[in-house]
Amino acid sequence: AQRVTQPEKLLSVFKGAPVELKCNYSYSGSPELFWYVQYSRQRLQLLLRHISRESIKGFTADLNKGETSFHLKKPFAQEEDSAMYYCALSSGGYQKVTFGTGTKLQVIP
Amino acid sequence: GAGVSQSPSNKVTEKGKDVELRCDPISGHTALYWYRQSLGQGLEFLIYFQGNSAPDKSGLPSDRFSAERTGGSVSTLTIQRTQQEDSAVYLCASSRDSGETQYFGPGTRLLVL
Repeated sequence: AQRVTQPEKLLSVFKGAPVELKCNYSYSGSPELFWYVQYSRQRLQLLLRHISRESIKGFTADLNKGETSFHLKKPFAQEEDSAMYYCALSSGGYQKVTFGTGTKLQVIP
Repeated sequence: GAGVSQSPSNKVTEKGKDVELRCDPISGHTALYWYRQSLGQGLEFLIYFQGNSAPDKSGLPSDRFSAERTGGSVSTLTIQRTQQEDSAVYLCASSRDSGETQYFGPGTRLLVL
């Protein structure tokens, strides 16, 4: 069964500090990985997906199949990055997407 | 085009009453999900519809919860005999296909008194 683990419920960093939100997954095949973000009083929305290999709002995430990880990184945190972040995995076919439990990022001014 | 819409946006009900929550997905999206988000908690998967396949109901917390999707479009989530612990934000999301990006609605905030 596929599983997504986000070990940190809350991550607090100072403005300007680097950020790394951890995501580990368990799935034997080739997954599609996503990061979703929910800002205060806004809808949950896609931040980035690994297949796109994009950098969105300064965030990047690299799929490491050896470590089964898809950590989200940003070199310099901004106050507007404060939000709830969810990692998600799709195994393809008609299987449902699996979400992690989320990490709340708090950027301290 | 319009995104995913949900109604009502807020619902206050008394314990023991039944409630129906509605989700209008993006037109043409074959996959539809319901999630629950309790205060300070993450996303809890409830049910997943994909095309004409039998729904994945593995996340429904009890038999008081049910959902249907009519004509492959609009979905309703029904909670019977509501309990206080059912109070949460219920989110609906749709995607073009099962593994594609999900588009979320604004949610229905349910409060059971």
